[in-house]
Amino acid sequence: QITLKESGPTLVKPTQTLTLTCTFSGFSLSTNGVGVGWIRQPPGKALEWLALIYWDDHKRYSPSLKSRLTITKDTSKNQVVLTLTNMEPVDKATYYCAHRGGHDAFDIWGQGTMVTVSS
Amino acid sequence: QSALTQPASVSGSPGQSITISCTGTSSDVGSYNLVSWYQQHPGKAPKLMIYEGRRRPSGVSNRFSGSKSGNTASLTISGLQAEDEADYYCCSYATSGSWVFGGGTKLTVL
Repeated sequence: QITLKESGPTLVKPTQTLTLTCTFSGFSLSTNGVGVGWIRQPPGKALEWLALIYWDDHKRYSPSLKSRLTITKDTSKNQVVLTLTNMEPVDKATYYCAHRGGHDAFDIWGQGTMVTVSS
Repeated sequence: QSALTQPASVSGSPGQSITISCTGTSSDVGSYNLVSWYQQHPGKAPKLMIYEGRRRPSGVSNRFSGSKSGNTASLTISGLQAEDEADYYCCSYATSGSWVFGGGTKLTVL
């Protein structure tokens, strides 16, 4: 059974860097074809894809946020970490991590973690 | 890249069928058979309903079906049920290896 869970601060100040951790179980991020992605959703708004890291350490980023995003993995800890620099109030959202299986879709999602940006 | 275009809302009565469109470009929907659809109930995480344009994950009702024509993908729900009332999002793989979601469609079951 695959599960994922996001963790990190619920409140960050403007200009700070957000660091979120996705801890997962039920699969290995060293298995061919597997990936973990991050998607966010501002309150009442649509989903927005942020980043994806593959089993072979290839990384992909949203073109609009690429300069602010970094995604890394720790295979031994079953964790994926996302950092987003220079946080602004518009970055307030629920942040989800999700398993990307062999079918190029996000088939299992974490419960999400809400992040607010305020001084 | 711009978000895929979906209607803001659709509605239907129990037992009826509805279709939600998802329009992209030749750089995403039109170039890849990698459109997925997600159902999201209020306060919940999204759930994968369709992948690779028309395939259903195990456990998803066969009332849900997907298709694509050109730059537009579609999700059809037949035999509408009250539990289908939710937000629906399409998502497509795009050039440069990125992914793009649609703006979401609120389905109301009358």
